[in-house]
Amino acid sequence: AQSVTQLDSQVPVFEEAPVELRCNYSSSVSVYLFWYVQYPNQGLQLLLKYLSGSTLVKGINGFEAEFNKSQTSFHLRKPSVHISDTAEYFCAVRANTGGFKTIFGAGTRLFVKA
Amino acid sequence: DADVTQTPRNRITKTGKRIMLECSQTKGHDRMYWYRQDPGLGLRLIYYSFDVKDINKGEISDGYSVSRQAQAKFSLSLESAIPNQTALYFCATSRTGANYGYTFGSGTRLTVV
Repeated sequence: AQSVTQLDSQVPVFEEAPVELRCNYSSSVSVYLFWYVQYPNQGLQLLLKYLSGSTLVKGINGFEAEFNKSQTSFHLRKPSVHISDTAEYFCAVRANTGGFKTIFGAGTRLFVKA
Repeated sequence: DADVTQTPRNRITKTGKRIMLECSQTKGHDRMYWYRQDPGLGLRLIYYSFDVKDINKGEISDGYSVSRQAQAKFSLSLESAIPNQTALYFCATSRTGANYGYTFGSGTRLTVV
């Protein structure tokens, strides 16, 4: 079985500052990792995913994430945030063989202040 | 039109009533899912379907039922709604294969009074 822990429930940050949203996972098998973003009153949309290969994954809107197998982490980063990045971000994990269920973290609410 | 459409967007219903939430997709995906979102709990899987004849319970299926009427349609029913089913409900679709992400609908906000 897999589980996901998002270490911060809320992250306030000033506009143009860097941000890191932390995600740890646990699994007895190899996994695929995902970050989704949910803007207010909308569904979730895929931000980026790690399947294999390079541990640094680039996604939409300038976000990137780094897979660290030894620390079982998949932290999301952006070097300079905008007001429009205010949203809730979800880390998710799925077993990469026979995996059919995606397990979501509890979410991190990013609040970008002017 | 949206790739994954959920209706209604908002619904208030009384305890004990039967209610159906509908989901339709134009993605052509075989797999469809119903999730429930509660603050601080993330998304929890209610039911999932890999094709019209394959429906499976998720982690919180009690009190819910589903119907896959066609490849493109997957509905969720609350047979007798109770207040702790008040939540935001999402339908999602995906291609077959663990390496694909989900496409989500915009959600249905359900309030049971």
